[in-house]
Amino acid sequence: AQTVTQSQPEMSVQEAETVTLSCTYDTSENNYYLFWYKQPPSRQMILVIRQEAYKQQNATENRFSVNFQKAAKSFSLKISDSQLGDTAMYFCAFMKLEYGNKLVFGAGTILRVKS
Amino acid sequence: KAGVTQTPRYLIKTRGQQVTLSCSPISGHRSVSWYQQTPGQGLQFLFEYFSETQRNKGNFPGRFSGRQFSNSRSEMNVSTLELGDSALYLCASSLGPRVGSTDTQYFGPGTRLTVL
Repeated sequence: AQTVTQSQPEMSVQEAETVTLSCTYDTSENNYYLFWYKQPPSRQMILVIRQEAYKQQNATENRFSVNFQKAAKSFSLKISDSQLGDTAMYFCAFMKLEYGNKLVFGAGTILRVKS
Repeated sequence: KAGVTQTPRYLIKTRGQQVTLSCSPISGHRSVSWYQQTPGQGLQFLFEYFSETQRNKGNFPGRFSGRQFSNSRSEMNVSTLELGDSALYLCASSLGPRVGSTDTQYFGPGTRLTVL
């Protein structure tokens, strides 16, 4: 079974600075997807970024980028120019290619952006 | 395009009762997945439906069931409620066009279930 580990329960960062959230996963699969979702206090789960395992190029979405290290099974999220609205719980999630979509989530990292 | 909607948003039930939660996916999405979120267990996959068929199921007791209708709307039912069923229940939809494919899941706002 796949597992996802987020080793940082809580982090804080000053507004406008850069922060990196860590995620490691365990799988024997070769083809899979990785995601970062954010869940602000409203509890609405929002997709931040997605990475296909077969792509060597790291995904980027505006201020959000990932460092995907397939051999090390590592998938970190970098947030540049942090904004107060980035304050949320961030979940790393894994999905293997199988019959029926199923996300396996990490425990989450609470990120607080301070002014 | 409207997002995923879930009803009701909040629900209070007592032990032993049953409950039905509803999820309407994004227009054109045919796959609906359900997750349970609790402080202790985090986010756990319940089941996934595509074209009215359950394709995948998590490790939950048979008290948890679901179904999907021809318009892709989905319901999940929990019978004989227990205190431990108190949770945020999240529904997510994706295109899910074919076997072996995967697709990004977009989440609804959730239904907060409290069991007293």
